[in-house]
Order: sequence, then C-alpha cells, then structure tokens
Amino acid sequence: NAGVTQTPKFHILKTGQSMTLQCAQDMNHGYLSWYRQDPGMGLRRIHYSVAAGITDKGEVPDGYNVSRSNTEDFPLRLESAAPSQTSVYFCAALTGNYGYTFGSGTRLTVV
Amino acid sequence: AQTVTQSQPEMSVQEAETVTLSCTYDTSESDYYLFWYKQPPSRQMILVIRQEAYKQQNATENRFSVNFQKAAKSFSLKISDSQLGDAAMYFCAYRPSSYSGGGADGLTFGKGTHLIIQP
Repeated sequence: NAGVTQTPKFHILKTGQSMTLQCAQDMNHGYLSWYRQDPGMGLRRIHYSVAAGITDKGEVPDGYNVSRSNTEDFPLRLESAAPSQTSVYFCAALTGNYGYTFGSGTRLTVV
Repeated sequence: AQTVTQSQPEMSVQEAETVTLSCTYDTSESDYYLFWYKQPPSRQMILVIRQEAYKQQNATENRFSVNFQKAAKSFSLKISDSQLGDAAMYFCAYRPSSYSGGGADGLTFGKGTHLIIQP
C-alpha cells in the first residue's frame, strides 16, 4: 500500500545485535502503530503514536523502543535482538473510520 | 479487555461455492467497529469489509458480506462465488469507536482462518 512504506522487507539479525525498522507514511495521519505477527497469534500491537512527540506502549512492548520526531516517520528499534523477536512486523496508520492502512511488512529473523 | 475469536483455523471450499468464516468477540463497549482483513501469500494486509456496530444493516462489498449479530457478538464473513484469488488468511478485527488517548484505537485481531480454494 503506497500510503505506508516499510523498510527493509527482509532481514536476518544475530542475537544481541541492534536494528531499526523504518516506517514512513505520506498520508499525514497522526496515529501510527507497530504490530508483530506470529504464527497462530494474529497481530499484536507493540507501540503506537498519536502525534509527533507522543508515543505509548501497546500489548507487547518489551524489547522494543520507538520515537516520533515528525509526522511522517515512526521507526521501531530493537536494542538487543533475541530469537523471540523473530516475527513479521507491520507498521499501520489509522485512517479514520476505515480501520488501518498497513505497510507491506518486514520479515525479521533473529539467529 | 476485548478478545476476538476465530474458531476455524482452516477452511476449504470449492471454486464458485460459498463459504462462511466465523468470528466472535467480547467487549463491554456499545459502539465499535469490526473488520475483516485478507492476507494473501504476499503478506499484505488488505481491508475486505468493515461494520459499524451502531448500524443494523449488514455491510456488503461485492461478493463479500457479513452477518453481524450484535447481541450474540458474532461477525461472520460470507464469500460468494469463491475464486482462486480469495485464497488467503482472513483476520477478524475489532476497534473501539472512540479515541480515549489511552490506546483505545488499537485493533484487536483474531488468530486467523486459512482459506483454501479448491479448483
């Protein structure tokens, strides 16, 4: 979906390494969130932001940090990656009453 | 906390037939939104259909329709004239309607139903 862009699409990380997943939106939406998708678990929210400078924890925030310095970008940082963080990560923008617009996802493997 | 339950991990249907995917949810809210998302092998999350809880009329989008039973907290998705391109994971999701500043806008997802279309 052109409105939310995630990079990279795939990445392999070693345990203990750090990494930042990028999320950029061009729809001028205030509300952005990060989800992780694991087999048999659906999607679970990690962190979210309602506007630049404001972030908060979702349901599964441990091991992740976020920042929001402007409206467009909402990076997700893993400071010290663990195998349990192997997952598919989605950034999503809340688009009024029509739910969310999702990025194409990042498949992250921690070995 | 809200919960969303999809009791069918996998469903199979013949091409051109009709299939219904089940979803139930639990909430104490009176106003909310319900969604069905499709996730094909490409991994992209695609909005299929949405329903506002205050609307009694069931939402319809071409071959996709829902059966929304608010009292029963049930929100099933019917796919008519199934096509090979309908093969995907389908996720039911819930969101409260009002933003409270406390994370109320988060989507709560079910675990998904894998839909297989038999040619």
